[in-house]
Amino acid sequence: EVQLVESGGGLVKPGGSLRLSCAASGFTFSSYSMNWVRQAPGKGLEWVSSISSSSSYIYYADSVKGRFTISRDNAKNSLYLQMNSLRAEDTAVYYCARMISRRGNWFDPWGQGTLVTVSS
Amino acid sequence: DIQMTQSPSSLSASVGDRVTITCRASQSISSYLNWYQQKPGKAPKLLIYAASSLQSGVPSRFSGSGSGTDFTLTISSLQPEDFATYYCQQSYSTPPETFGQGTRLEIK
Repeated sequence: EVQLVESGGGLVKPGGSLRLSCAASGFTFSSYSMNWVRQAPGKGLEWVSSISSSSSYIYYADSVKGRFTISRDNAKNSLYLQMNSLRAEDTAVYYCARMISRRGNWFDPWGQGTLVTVSS
Repeated sequence: DIQMTQSPSSLSASVGDRVTITCRASQSISSYLNWYQQKPGKAPKLLIYAASSLQSGVPSRFSGSGSGTDFTLTISSLQPEDFATYYCQQSYSTPPETFGQGTRLEIK
């Protein structure tokens, strides 16, 4: 079964840091681009960052550029998101998602999400 | 960035109804349009990819159509488990991958 499990969320003060992890299983992790997508409480979905299979291509949303760093360890089947200089507006559930690329790109599956709360 | 606009933002319907949700792109995106379903407290789930291809395991009452700027998601006969929020997402011009604001489907 293809599965993604996020961890590392929690409560952090503004300006603080947090590192999210996503453990993948049930598929050849090293063959797929991976993404982080977030959802603020009661709001819609916002793409955050993507990383290609070999880490050659990395992209960020403007809202997190310069503060967040995406990375992966294919030997450990794991995806990471290092979040620095956190702001209240970063409060959200963060999902990791596998990207399928054929006639376009789509996200499947998604992990269950991990909640990040930025508050003093 | 390409903007995606869904209509309506919310919708009330009854079990057995036929429901259509619309997604409009700010510029042509060919058929690079996907649909997701999200239930409260759960992760989004892929329903339709490339505008009209049904994801494996998704009931056939779900269908997608459209190309260019205008797309629709249709549920032919609503079931109790279909009450959820639906999102469209474009992948024509990325990054960023952009989503519509969502359509909340509620029980009438």
